[in-house]
Amino acid sequence: QLQESGPGLVKPSETLSLTCAVSGDSLSNTNYYWGWLRQPPGKGLEWIGSIYYGGNLYYSPSLKSRVTISLDTSKNQFSLNLNSVTAADTAIYYCARRYYGSGTTFDPWGRGTLITVSS
Amino acid sequence: QSALTQPRSVSGSPGQSVTISCTGTSSDVGGYHYVSWYQQYPGEAPKLIIYDVSRRPSGVADRFSGSKSGNTASLTISGLQADDEGDYYCCAYAGSYTIIFGGGTKLTVL
Repeated sequence: QLQESGPGLVKPSETLSLTCAVSGDSLSNTNYYWGWLRQPPGKGLEWIGSIYYGGNLYYSPSLKSRVTISLDTSKNQFSLNLNSVTAADTAIYYCARRYYGSGTTFDPWGRGTLITVSS
Repeated sequence: QSALTQPRSVSGSPGQSVTISCTGTSSDVGGYHYVSWYQQYPGEAPKLIIYDVSRRPSGVADRFSGSKSGNTASLTISGLQADDEGDYYCCAYAGSYTIIFGGGTKLTVL
């Protein structure tokens, strides 16, 4: 099970920070990647990036310059930082587990957390 | 990278079959065996229903099937039921460890 947590509201130009708490599995399980995705209200899904226990990090080319994903194995959680946010970053942010060796298999997903960028 | 192309909406009557297409390029859909499909109800997180083009996770009804031909992947839902109504998204590996989604298709059960 995955559960996102975050501030709900972020001001333009600031940094968005989210955490995904994982239960029932371990971030050190080498069968999985751990990823972040988002969905602007009323729009489609967008992959943000994925991280693997071994340290491999992969980011969407369109967000790469602003994104950092990290693991905290002691707390069994992983995090997303997105800097210099604008209104275009307003979205529901999801964390999800991705199967290693299966390029696009995200299962399960967290319930999502709505992040609004506004002053 | 561009988003994969899906029809904005499809519809069908209960018991019928519908097919949702997902068109990409030889650099994504056509280049790898990594295409997945997600079902999403309003206000809920997406749910995996097909992975690796045609494989079904345990617990997903066999009314859902996936296929691929060239640069186009397809999701077919047979024996349409009222609770199949929702949004469907395709997702493909696009090389260099990147992933792209389609714009989504709204399925209406008439």
